[in-house]
Amino acid sequence: AQSVTQPDIHITVSEGASLELRCNYSYGATPYLFWYVQSPGQGLQLLLKYFSGDTLVQGIKGFEAEFKRSQSSFNLRKPSVHWSDAAEYFCAVGAAGGSYIPTFGRGTSLIVHP
Amino acid sequence: DTAVSQTPKYLVTQMGNDKSIKCEQNLGHDTMYWYKQDSKKFLKIMFSYNNKELIINETVPNRFSPKSPDKAHLNLHINSLELGDSAVYFCASSQEGTVLGGYGYTFGSGTRLTVV
Repeated sequence: AQSVTQPDIHITVSEGASLELRCNYSYGATPYLFWYVQSPGQGLQLLLKYFSGDTLVQGIKGFEAEFKRSQSSFNLRKPSVHWSDAAEYFCAVGAAGGSYIPTFGRGTSLIVHP
Repeated sequence: DTAVSQTPKYLVTQMGNDKSIKCEQNLGHDTMYWYKQDSKKFLKIMFSYNNKELIINETVPNRFSPKSPDKAHLNLHINSLELGDSAVYFCASSQEGTVLGGYGYTFGSGTRLTVV
């Protein structure tokens, strides 16, 4: 079965600074990878996803993520953070076996200082 | 024009009561899900329906019963509510094709259930 780890529970950045949120997965083959964002009191919104092909994936809201098979990672990045990016971010991994239902990480809370 | 809508948004009830949460999607998706998010934000799949048929039924107490009258609606009925049922319940939908869950979900805004 697949698993996903988000090592950072909280990340604090200043507005305008760059951001990288870490995600590591465990799965024997090429996984399907996702990043979701959850604003307070809201549901999750899909930022981007990776299935195959180009390992650098562009998403909405200026986010991108890079799949690195050698490191089993799918880190989320943004060059310049805005105060409105403060939210909970979830990485998810789905596997081409069984039900494909994605497994979600525990989330990283992003705090943005003015 | 909400894509996935859940009602109610908040639900406070006493132990032992029976309650329902409703979900509707207007995206034309063929698969719908219920997820439970606990106080530590952990998301766990509960059920999934594809074209009104139950396809995923995780280890959930049988006090929880989903029902899908058509592929645009998925309701969740909970009997004999317990304190541990307090959580945020999310409905989600997706268009599956050959990869269940593989194309990403559209989530509703959640129902915060508090059992007192």
